[in-house]
Formats: sequence, C-alpha cells, structure tokens
Amino acid sequence: TQLLEQSPQFLSIQEGENLTVYCNSSSVFSSLQWYRQEPGEGPVLLVTVVTGGEVKKLKRLTFQFGDARKDSSLHITAAQPGDTGLYLCAGAVNSGYSTLTFGKGTMLLVSP
Amino acid sequence: NAGVMQNPRHLVRRRGQEARLRCSPMKGHSHVYWYRQLPEEGLKFMVYLQKENIIDESGMPKERFSAEFPKEGPSILRIQQVVRGDSAAYFCASSPRIEQGYEQYFGPGTRLTVT
Repeated sequence: TQLLEQSPQFLSIQEGENLTVYCNSSSVFSSLQWYRQEPGEGPVLLVTVVTGGEVKKLKRLTFQFGDARKDSSLHITAAQPGDTGLYLCAGAVNSGYSTLTFGKGTMLLVSP
Repeated sequence: NAGVMQNPRHLVRRRGQEARLRCSPMKGHSHVYWYRQLPEEGLKFMVYLQKENIIDESGMPKERFSAEFPKEGPSILRIQQVVRGDSAAYFCASSPRIEQGYEQYFGPGTRLTVT
C-alpha cells in the first residue's frame, strides 16, 4: 500500500504571507496530482507532475516533483483569502490506468 | 461544457434502507471512479468502471456495495441495508482516456447520512 503523508495538517496565515506544504512518500509514483477542495465540494485538479524534478507554476502557485518521484511540494506566494481550502496530493503508480492514492490533506486558512 | 455531475447532493437514509448514488461523467469521458471520504481519513478509492465493465473493485466492501456503469445512463453506486458507518461523502471522478487515467476530474459529491 502506497502512503502519502502531507504536512502540515493545518496552516493558518495572514493574507500576503508565503507558505509551502509538503507531500511525502516512501513509494515511487509515476505521476502526482494536487487538488484543492472547498467545504461541501469535490476536489478540483490544480496540476499534474510526471517528471522527476519537474517544476510547474500556476499563477502564484509553484509545484515541484522530487527527483526520485517520491515527494512533492506546493508553494504559494502572497496568499489570498481565496486560497483557503483543503489541499490534497494524490499519486498514481502507473501511467494510464491507475487508482489514485490520496494524502489526508493540508487545511489552509488565509485570513484577511 | 458540464463537469462531472452527481445526484443527489445530500441523501438521508435510515438504517437498513438502500442508497443509490448517481454519477454522470464529463462529456467524452468513459472511465469512472468512485471514492469515499470519511472525516479525518481522506479520500479512499472504491471502484473503477468503464462502460458496462467493472475494471477494479478492490477498494469496495464485498458485501452490500455494488457499482455499475451501463451503456446508457449514469454510473450507479448502490449500498444495500445501510449502516451508520456508511455515512460519508461519496465522490465520483472521470477521466478521458486510459493513457491519462491519472487525471481525474471530480464531481461535487453525495453526502450520505444514515440515521
């Protein structure tokens, strides 16, 4: 069973601060996805990373996949209240058909 | 360009009743996945289906739970004789092609409460 550990579990910051959340595993994944989930809604796909060492940017969000494809990080610059939500990482073992293994998430609260 | 649709959004059942959860994948998607989310436990995979076929049901309890994805119509997750422990949010996701099975798009979920 592949496990994904996310840290921190909860993060409360002020608007304008920077933050990084982490997703770690002892297993190798062929791809890793980051999702954001708001209360009462389903997860929304933010990004997929597939190559070890890959860095992807989505406006103020920067995603990195570890060289060994076992870990990933999400960095948010100048956080805004609209960034509030549960950030989930999910790993796929195989390319193509693969069930996703999810971490438990990091709950981010950005206060104005 | 509608996303994944699930209904009902909220479902209340008494112990022993049946629950039917429906999922319509995104247009052009023929791969459907069901997940269950319990508080403090995260999303857990239950079953993966393609049209008229169950591909992987390794995450689904052997008893009381079943899933289908008929040629026509939505995918259905069926829970018979519900118990309080079945209370959870159930999410459906779809993906476009087997080569991109890791890119899954989620619906808004069905929140099942068993009283």
